[in-house]
Amino acid sequence: DVKVTQSSRYLVKRTGEKVFLECVQDMDHENMFWYRQDPGLGLRLIYFSYDVKMKEKGDIPEGYSVSREKKERFSLILESASTNQTSMYLCASQAGRRRETQYFGPGTRLLVL
Amino acid sequence: AQKITQTQPGMFVQEKEAVTLDCTYDTSDQSYGLFWYKQPSSGEMIFLIYQGSYDEQNATEGRYSLNFQKARKSANLVISASQLGDSAMYFCAMRDSGYSTLTFGKGTMLLVSP
Repeated sequence: DVKVTQSSRYLVKRTGEKVFLECVQDMDHENMFWYRQDPGLGLRLIYFSYDVKMKEKGDIPEGYSVSREKKERFSLILESASTNQTSMYLCASQAGRRRETQYFGPGTRLLVL
Repeated sequence: AQKITQTQPGMFVQEKEAVTLDCTYDTSDQSYGLFWYKQPSSGEMIFLIYQGSYDEQNATEGRYSLNFQKARKSANLVISASQLGDSAMYFCAMRDSGYSTLTFGKGTMLLVSP
């Protein structure tokens, strides 16, 4: 079974802190994704990566950056957390084939005070 | 323009009844894929079913089937014989040709009552 893990289920940070959200997948997938989920808005793509050291902006990249130094790990970074970044963050991975689904991690609920 | 539209914010159904969750999409591509995911209150996203735009038959996976009407650009999820454990948020998503990214709808909350 594909497993996608995220470093924390719940996280509380203060405004202005630098926040790292880690995601690890164990299936050697090429593609990895970061979404945020807010009530009434569905899932919105923040960043994605097709390969190591490659990154592409999604629909809402402002205020975020990412890092992919190893194939299995994709990190989301909030350089200076703000209260409007309070949200649920979901990581996903996918094999290269187009018919393949994305496999999601359990999510991180981030609260920025 | 919104690519995926789920018009039902919430649906109620009684146990053992069938329910249809609506999804319409917008794309100019000929090749695309449609996905449905379930998200229980615990938060994880669970893949349910996939339909490719060139698939000749509607997809089915156990109690889940996808009513794909290409001309109407709709991809409704049908759950037969609802169970209490089906209570969850359901998301429709689309992958356009040439990309691996998914565009999600805003979701439909399904509540199954005894």
